[in-house]
Amino acid sequence: QVQLVQSGSELKKPGASVKVSCKASGYTFTTYTMSWVRQAPGQGLEWMGWISTSTGNPTYAQAFTGRLVFSLDTSVSTAYLQISSLTAEDTAVYFCARSSANRWYDYWGQGTLVTVSS
Amino acid sequence: DIVMTQSPDSLAVSLGERATINCKSSQSVLYNSNNNYYLAWYQQKPGQPPKLLIYWASTRQSGVPDRFSGSGSGTDFTLTISSLQAEDVAVYYCQQYYRTPFTFGPGTKVDIK
Repeated sequence: QVQLVQSGSELKKPGASVKVSCKASGYTFTTYTMSWVRQAPGQGLEWMGWISTSTGNPTYAQAFTGRLVFSLDTSVSTAYLQISSLTAEDTAVYFCARSSANRWYDYWGQGTLVTVSS
Repeated sequence: DIVMTQSPDSLAVSLGERATINCKSSQSVLYNSNNNYYLAWYQQKPGQPPKLLIYWASTRQSGVPDRFSGSGSGTDFTLTISSLQAEDVAVYYCQQYYRTPFTFGPGTKVDIK
């Protein structure tokens, strides 16, 4: 069965960086794109961008330009999200989500809580 | 960016009654070459990731109960729960995947009256 398993919660200080992983199983990793969506506490869903798992080409939402890096390790079917220069406003649950041909998201990771606090 | 709006913000419906959620896109999300609306609906329960309910505005995802249906045209879309069940208490989001950024609506919270 398809699973996306994300890394555990993180506590970071302002100005630090964080790297979240999303390990896929149950399907051929490179045949679906991977997107990242975040949800601040009590808030809605915010699209962060996506990465082509076949080419490694990322697309970032403009709101995050310069602070995000999406990467892959296809040998272990894992996608990564790295965010730099963290602020308290980055405190959120971060989800990875799978998509066919970059359309709807049919499988989601369980979410990773990133807390930014001094 | 395409802005998605939803109404109402929340609603409370009696068990077995109909719940209707509206979603509006600021621009068309119709791709003329395939005549499909690039619009999806998700359900999110507390502490869980979102779950895909509907794509192409009206196609039910495999395994989703048929009491959930999607409709719409132009820039106006609707998610209908025909007979609300206790397990349907959740927040519902629409999302356009027509053009990046793939924006979500702000969500509609559904409760039992």
